[in-house]
Amino acid sequence: DQQVKQNSPSLSVQEGRISILNCDYTNSMFDYFLWYKKYPAEGPTFLISISSIKDKNEDGRFTVFLNKSAKHLSLHIVPSQPGDSAVYFCAASDPGNTGKLIFGQGTTLQVKP
Amino acid sequence: DAGVIQSPRHEVTEMGQEVTLRCKPISGHNSLFWYRQTMMRGLELLIYFNNNVPIDDSGMPEDRFSAKMPNASFSTLKIQPSEPRDSAVYFCASSFWSATVGQGTFFGQGTRLTVV
Repeated sequence: DQQVKQNSPSLSVQEGRISILNCDYTNSMFDYFLWYKKYPAEGPTFLISISSIKDKNEDGRFTVFLNKSAKHLSLHIVPSQPGDSAVYFCAASDPGNTGKLIFGQGTTLQVKP
Repeated sequence: DAGVIQSPRHEVTEMGQEVTLRCKPISGHNSLFWYRQTMMRGLELLIYFNNNVPIDDSGMPEDRFSAKMPNASFSTLKIQPSEPRDSAVYFCASSFWSATVGQGTFFGQGTRLTVV
């Protein structure tokens, strides 16, 4: 069973517009969430994170929103740039404090010039 | 630091053959993770080690899969015998677990395995 789900396999956005990537989770014990970005032929790299004590975290063009009651988080990229085209993975940190990350399936973002 | 180093980058093998994937974690990191990327399940955790000791191998799909970490600077993931459904990209990641858990997890470039 998938504890972290990204239901949209792909998303296409025009350059300059907003990209919104969504993620749902099932385990209410999750208290720390992360987004990773992956380019082809490279490993995933950390992008932004959020703790469950917050509902928003912003870093430049990237903002993550957390809705605990809905068990939903989203990543907003504004404005989107062609270099943002990549696979984005949502992840939850194992509540057992093991350092383990539980990932979703990923969403492929394409930003068109 | 060169980051997490995986070898080989690509591996093509015939069904039934043994495959060994290798990983060198970042020096000083005490946790090591093996993930597999598939379209259906995204990044799946196969096994992880803490201080060279396997902590959780519940993600290892079958007995055909085994992993070792003989020392702090080296780990292997072995598949014997390999099957076509094992074809995927395998990632190794390492971290030094701390309060900034997750942010400090670094991935290698992956090994693309194709079993024909």
